[in-house]
Amino acid sequence: DAKTTQPTSMDCAEGRAANLPCNHSTISGNEYVYWYRQIHSQGPQYIIHGLKNNETNEMASLIITEDRKSSTLILPHATLRDTAVYYCIVRLFNNDMRFGAGTRLTVKP
Amino acid sequence: DGGITQSPKYLFRKEGQNVTLSCEQNLNHDAMYWYRQDPGQGLRLIYYSQIVNDFQKGDIAEGYSVSREKKESFPLTVTSAQKNPTAFYLCASTTRLAGGPQDTQYFGPGTRLTVL
Repeated sequence: DAKTTQPTSMDCAEGRAANLPCNHSTISGNEYVYWYRQIHSQGPQYIIHGLKNNETNEMASLIITEDRKSSTLILPHATLRDTAVYYCIVRLFNNDMRFGAGTRLTVKP
Repeated sequence: DGGITQSPKYLFRKEGQNVTLSCEQNLNHDAMYWYRQDPGQGLRLIYYSQIVNDFQKGDIAEGYSVSREKKESFPLTVTSAQKNPTAFYLCASTTRLAGGPQDTQYFGPGTRLTVL
């Protein structure tokens, strides 16, 4: 079973920031938070990961709460090509990647 | 270009036939993985391999078999014992099984298997 809880779906207007929440209340101290996305009928694409600190790369920002029980993925300026299913995963080892159903983000013009 | 390739993209087979899905990587990764995805669902781990000639069962290994004769290749055979083989199959690889951020898992494009 996935160790995370995400909303089933979200909408976002094109050009606006998309904020995708994730709850991981049972995360252990050395487990990382990973985000992937999957466009229909393609393999999941790595977005970003973090342990304790907030992280930013060319694709997104990851905000992790101080108690590490939840996080938010931020796409700063969503485009139509960002429409996808977004997965939040907590893991220690690579054979422990538990993908739940994710959040289906729809970016609307 | 470095990456993971899976072939074919679409595969059709008759019920009762074994079928082998290909996965090749040129990333020099040690660890490789096979996942199954059903419509509207997340990914479930079938098998994984840390090194050549070694592999372990994941959560749903029944009805599947794998081999790891070469570092670059990790083929998956869907046998007739798999009750519901129709699904989207994804292969992935990492530098190693256990570790931190440098061991991010990368995925191939997937193979959609339909059993008629």
